[in-house]
Amino acid sequence: LAKTTQPISMDSYEGQEVNITCSHNNIATNDYITWYQQFPSQGPRFIIQGYKTKVTNEVASLFIPADRKSSTLSLPRVSLSDTAVYYCLVARGYNKLIFGAGTRLAVHP
Amino acid sequence: EPEVTQTPSHQVTQMGQEVILRCVPISNHLYFYWYRQILGQKVEFLVSFYNNEISEKSEIFDDQFSVERPDGSNFTLKIRSTKLEDSAMYFCASSSTEGSYNEQFFGPGTRLTVL
Repeated sequence: LAKTTQPISMDSYEGQEVNITCSHNNIATNDYITWYQQFPSQGPRFIIQGYKTKVTNEVASLFIPADRKSSTLSLPRVSLSDTAVYYCLVARGYNKLIFGAGTRLAVHP
Repeated sequence: EPEVTQTPSHQVTQMGQEVILRCVPISNHLYFYWYRQILGQKVEFLVSFYNNEISEKSEIFDDQFSVERPDGSNFTLKIRSTKLEDSAMYFCASSSTEGSYNEQFFGPGTRLTVL
């Protein structure tokens, strides 16, 4: 599975849009790009998944360029409750998930 | 909304003792997983289970570990002889062929403390 690289931490303020970029240079044809969120002492929670172009759900948007070597998770108008660790993963479905260190997002008042 | 449940929420044991961590996956799910997270570290894959057998396991999942689906609802992780380094949060997860391809539903975790 392709290795992912994302910022260790980010800071934002309430009401701002947050974009977290992830690189996955060695992504394979069968791989999907998936993002999870984790709050302290809780299990990870699925946010969004995409293969190419743009995907949007009620929580976030995911932008994937044509070469699929990177992706950007966009969180619109964050609130304090969005403070969490965000993981970018590349995975093939029904198989293990390989988590990296993730991006620790801190949202300030 | 259906959810994965885990018991106990916290387990304290002595080194060398056996522990069984229990999970009830979402009822129509077919794929089951165990992960662990040592405090302050990343989430690590232990094992995946499908069709009543292990489909993949990590290097961490050595002979001290075993999994079982004893009935139609429970999914258990057994650690035969616990070590200090087994202290971690253990997460069970499940997934189905419906929904998003890599969407796994995680339970709240069991915090295992080995003394």
